[in-house]
Amino acid sequence: GAVVSQHPSRVICKSGTSVKIECRSLDFQATTMFWYRQFPKQSLMLMATSNEGSKATYEQGVEKDKFLINHASLTLSTLTVTSAHPEDSSFYICSARSHRSFEQYFGPGTRLTVT
Amino acid sequence: KQEVTQIPAALSVPEGENLVLNCSFTDSAIYNLQWFRQDPGKGLTSLLLIQSSQREQTSGRLNASLDKSSGRSTLYIAASQPGDSATYLCAVSRTGNMLTFGGGTRLMVKP
Repeated sequence: GAVVSQHPSRVICKSGTSVKIECRSLDFQATTMFWYRQFPKQSLMLMATSNEGSKATYEQGVEKDKFLINHASLTLSTLTVTSAHPEDSSFYICSARSHRSFEQYFGPGTRLTVT
Repeated sequence: KQEVTQIPAALSVPEGENLVLNCSFTDSAIYNLQWFRQDPGKGLTSLLLIQSSQREQTSGRLNASLDKSSGRSTLYIAASQPGDSATYLCAVSRTGNMLTFGGGTRLMVKP
């Protein structure tokens, strides 16, 4: 149980375009989802926390107009990178937490490359 | 602001050796601590979760301890195998919500 999927696993896009990444909890309802960013050989940095049906809470330094997060249902959250630039290239990982447990379950990550 | 440090940053051991990975955190007011494993280019796999009221958790060859007052946790891996090679991350949570991660320890177990 407690499986989280991400789609796509890899995406290459051109500078200036927008990319949407999906995060789904497959076998539980995720009241809270988290989006992390990881640069090569570095640890995960929390970007934002989203609760189902409400606006996401962004960490300091994360542009909310650039990284649009939508948590429209208890099993799906999306991260849209708008007007992507090469410096947005990174590994994006989501996690999900149910209301029954404080344990976070992580997705397999999405590798974004902006050319 | 919570800071999490993991030592060593990298470790290489021969197969069969027992090893200890260290994690320290600056704010002892935590709700829980988790150890994760990350393989290259992959997401995170949760290994062990220790609530703040617990001293240790065990799963197979893994044992994690928590000393909240001193801000330390250790992950003990018994009889290491090449398949244990990965990056190990510890993360603490103050509220049971947001996780603060350490920099990770890259482990290589040589056959």
